[in-house]
Amino acid sequence: DQQVKQNSPSLSVQEGRISILNCDYTNSMFDYFLWYKKYPAEGPTFLISISSIKDKNEDGRFTVFLNKSAKHLSLHIVPSQPGDSAVYFCAASDTNAGKSTFGDGTTLTVKP
Amino acid sequence: DVKVTQSSRYLVKRTGEKVFLECVQDMDHENMFWYRQDPGLGLRLIYFSYDVKMKEKGDIPEGYSVSREKKERFSLILESASTNQTSMYLCASSLGTSGRNEQFFGPGTRLTVL
Repeated sequence: DQQVKQNSPSLSVQEGRISILNCDYTNSMFDYFLWYKKYPAEGPTFLISISSIKDKNEDGRFTVFLNKSAKHLSLHIVPSQPGDSAVYFCAASDTNAGKSTFGDGTTLTVKP
Repeated sequence: DVKVTQSSRYLVKRTGEKVFLECVQDMDHENMFWYRQDPGLGLRLIYFSYDVKMKEKGDIPEGYSVSREKKERFSLILESASTNQTSMYLCASSLGTSGRNEQFFGPGTRLTVL
């Protein structure tokens, strides 16, 4: 039973446009959510996070939105840049458990 | 900067061999994790450890064991490697025991079992 799902394996956008990556979860115990970015031949790196008590968190070009009732979160990147091309992983944590559950990842390609 | 290093970037082993994957972090993090990454399956947690000599099973522990004798070092052991363990293995660490803390990942070890 996959508790964190990223239903779009890939996404392609034009440079300068908005990229929207989506993530759904099923476990109501999850109370903290993180996004990681992964380039080929490197480990994932942390990008942005959000607590379940918030519905939005912004950091520069990156904004994460959380809809608790729908158990859905999304990552918005605007404007998208070619250097944003990477695999993006959504992760969800039950903060009492001390670990995160990751989604399958979405490969973002930003075309110049 | 937090640094997580893994002993090998690429490894080729034979079926039945015992395989050791080593991970070292330099920031005094309590938590350490081992994942495998496979196409279409994302990152799956094998084992994690929240303290020296402590370990917890993740989602796919079968066929693996771990060792944490020192705080900075977390080893993944494949007792008898099989072809279905061919994968990318990623080690990570995080500060504290809360799931709120971001994880810092090593570069990964691509293991091929022939």
